[in-house]
Amino acid sequence: AQSVTQLDSQVPVFEEAPVELRCNYSSSVSVYLFWYVQYPNQGLQLLLKYLSGSTLVESINGFEAEFNKSQTSFHLRKPSVHISDTAEYFCAVTRWGGSYIPTFGRGTSLIVHP
Amino acid sequence: GAGVSQTPSNKVTEKGKYVELRCDPISGHTALYWYRQSLGQGPEFLIYFQGTGAADDSGLPNDRFFAVRPEGSVSTLKIQRTERGDSAVYLCASSQGTSGSGDNEQFFGPGTRLTVL
Repeated sequence: AQSVTQLDSQVPVFEEAPVELRCNYSSSVSVYLFWYVQYPNQGLQLLLKYLSGSTLVESINGFEAEFNKSQTSFHLRKPSVHISDTAEYFCAVTRWGGSYIPTFGRGTSLIVHP
Repeated sequence: GAGVSQTPSNKVTEKGKYVELRCDPISGHTALYWYRQSLGQGPEFLIYFQGTGAADDSGLPNDRFFAVRPEGSVSTLKIQRTERGDSAVYLCASSQGTSGSGDNEQFFGPGTRLTVL
């Protein structure tokens, strides 16, 4: 079985500041890693994913995440946030070769202040 | 429609009542998933359908919960004898193709907020 830990339940930050949302996972086998975003009153949307290859993955709106196998982490970063980035962010993991049933972290609420 | 839709958006019921929650997936998506999201938590897997059959129902908490997908499209999650602890947001997601590769993107609906009084 796998598990996901998002240590920060809430991250307040000022607009244009950098941000990092932390995600650590545990699994006895290789995994795929995902970040989902949930804007207020909307469904979850896939932000980015790591499947294989380059350990640094990017989204179209400036977020990036780096897979670190030795530290079992997949932290999400953005160098300069906007008010519109205010949302709930969920890290998720699935097993290689298993059924695609993701295990989600509890989420981190990113609050961007003007 | 363009995305996954769920009805109703909100459901308030009394303890002991029966409820049905509906999910309309993206057209052509063969895989459909139900999750439950409690306050302050991430989505928790309930059941996964591939076509009309339940491929994995290991997340259903007990036999009061049941889901169907008779024609391989719309799915209904049914909860009998509701309890206050069932209060949560119930999410539905769909994806193309079969499970197993791990990289099929899931598209989520907006959820149904169930409140059991």
